[in-house]
Amino acid sequence: NAGVTQTPKFRILKIGQSMTLQCTQDMNHNYMYWYRQDPGMGLKLIYYSVGAGITDKGEVPNGYNVSRSTTEDFPLRLELAAPSQTSVYFCASSLRDPLNTQYFGPGTRLTVL
Amino acid sequence: AQTVTQSQPEMSVQEAETVTLSCTYDTSESDYYLFWYKQPPSRQMILVIRQEAYKQQNATENRFSVNFQKAAKSFSLKISDSQLGDAAMYFCASIILRFGAGTRLTVKP
Repeated sequence: NAGVTQTPKFRILKIGQSMTLQCTQDMNHNYMYWYRQDPGMGLKLIYYSVGAGITDKGEVPNGYNVSRSTTEDFPLRLELAAPSQTSVYFCASSLRDPLNTQYFGPGTRLTVL
Repeated sequence: AQTVTQSQPEMSVQEAETVTLSCTYDTSESDYYLFWYKQPPSRQMILVIRQEAYKQQNATENRFSVNFQKAAKSFSLKISDSQLGDAAMYFCASIILRFGAGTRLTVKP
């Protein structure tokens, strides 16, 4: 199994540009999550989803949007990129609720200039 | 609100020795899980060990074990027989999805 995959691995954006970070899991997990990790910090939850068609905000949702049309995919959309969104983004999934072990993707390093 | 605190931004240990990383947390939940994640330079997050709060017995995974003090809301990670491959950032985490700032572990050969 591939587990959780993320694309791209690296990306540089200009201020005001938009992009979508892709996340796919092949473990048939119901729960999926997007985190961001700023330098020297722990992870902060952006959005999460408890199943296809259901999403909810996490700790730092401003500036981001998500959708969950299938169990496997959970893309994260940045509409108007800002320098404050420079970070490493991690996607994760868990079989059931967050109490279960979360499986993380390799991360996407995003720089906004 | 749930908070997770790691008071040691950096730790160092000699190869083959034991090191303990500290973590305290605050939660109003009565039942919860606690986790230690490892983040090597590759940046991928790897689960090291988890502890169910309702279990009194401390979790153990090979060289990794925890000292879970529920009343004190303390959840420390002990790494025995430290290896060079253990060098990484270590994050303590609790439900729901609150991470500490991390502890960078250096293993000296």
